[in-house]
Parts: sequence; structure tokens; C-alpha cells
Amino acid sequence: SFELTQPLSVSVALGQTARFTCGGSNIGSKNVHWYQQKPGQAPVLVIYRDYNRPSGIPDRFSGSKSGNTATLIISRAQVEDEGDYYCQVWDSFTEVFGGGTKLTVL
Amino acid sequence: EVQLVQSGGGLVQPGRSLRLSCTASGFTFGDYAMSWVRQAPGKGLEWVGFIRSKDYDGATQYAASVKGRFTISRDDFKSIAYLQMNSLKTEDTAVYYCSRVRTRVSFYMDVWGKGATVTVSS
Repeated sequence: SFELTQPLSVSVALGQTARFTCGGSNIGSKNVHWYQQKPGQAPVLVIYRDYNRPSGIPDRFSGSKSGNTATLIISRAQVEDEGDYYCQVWDSFTEVFGGGTKLTVL
Repeated sequence: EVQLVQSGGGLVQPGRSLRLSCTASGFTFGDYAMSWVRQAPGKGLEWVGFIRSKDYDGATQYAASVKGRFTISRDDFKSIAYLQMNSLKTEDTAVYYCSRVRTRVSFYMDVWGKGATVTVSS
């Protein structure tokens, strides 16, 4: 089965840029989506189809993809950005999630 | 306002059954696929399964971990999606989220319910 690899944690200083990676075999041929989940809350879609931002998501959030790695970037990180971030792809008629990355804003 | 309201969680003994409901409002429910995702305590997100719209005959797909035990269905007249869980195991303990699925080009979930807690324990 298809697997997505994410680092367990990322730390960033307040106001700096946070980068989250999501790796997977042949991920370049798939659309990658990103979700933010704050403690005790449901996930929220922050990026869809690699780099598109849903309405209501700040433009500080952006996405990119290169080779076998997709990247979520949060510019000017804020305390309210803390939480877990999951990447997701559609593969073989199933939805596959990465293990998630916990963001800490210092 | 587009929203999904969930109900039906609770404590259940191993081997028993439970049904979760997800009531949609603010959009044409019948036009969308619906998905269920769960999250065990302290763990990440795990896709459970989904049901497509009537345009695709309401086809369903399930994760291997629940196939044969869980069934997803929908009532487009009532705008409700269901997750019927049979033969529950302790490892099914999780918060279960329903979500609306966008299926153009790729499948992703753009609206989520708040979740329903299912605890399987004797």
C-alpha cells in the first residue's frame, strides 16, 4: 500500500517560516492535500491539489511539490498555527494520510 | 452555512454494533461523496471509507482494517450519511469524523464534522 512520510515535529520561531515535507514514491504524479488539526478539533483543509488555498485560509499558507516530496510552507508563523499537519493523497481508490507533523512555534 | 453535524458515538462492548450519523446542511448533499476518517487516541488520521454520489451509483470503498465489518450508506432525502460498525474491536476506539469529499481530479475533504467518540471496551 502507498505510504506518505512526514517528520514527527517541526519547530519555528515566531514570525519565521515553517516547512513541512511529505514524501512518497511517485508522489509527483499525484495531487497532494494538506490539513491542519488543532488539539481537540477536527481537521481543516489548508491546501488542496498541491498548491491551492481554500477560501478563508491565510495567504501565509502555500504548497509546492518537487520530485518525490511535497512541501507545505507557513510564512510568518503565528502561535495560532500550532497543531498537527497531515498530507494526503488519493491512491488506488483509497485516501492515504501521512503520519502527521506537529508544529511548535517558539 | 455549510456544516456536518455528527451523532451516535458512545461506549460499546467488543463484538457489538454501533451506528454513527452525519447530517449535512448548507449544500446539495446528493451531489457529493462522503468520507469517514478516524483518529485513535494520540494517533494520526486514518481513512475508514467513503461513499460516492448517486451519479456513481453510491459506490463504496473501505480501508482493509474495517472491510467486511463497517458499512457506509447515505440517505439523500434526509441529507444524512451513516457509518454502521459491526463486530467492534477495542482497536476501533477512536474519534470518527465524517467529511465532504471533492472528487474533481483528486479526492480530498473540504468540510469536516466535529467528530464522534467511539469507545470499545468491556
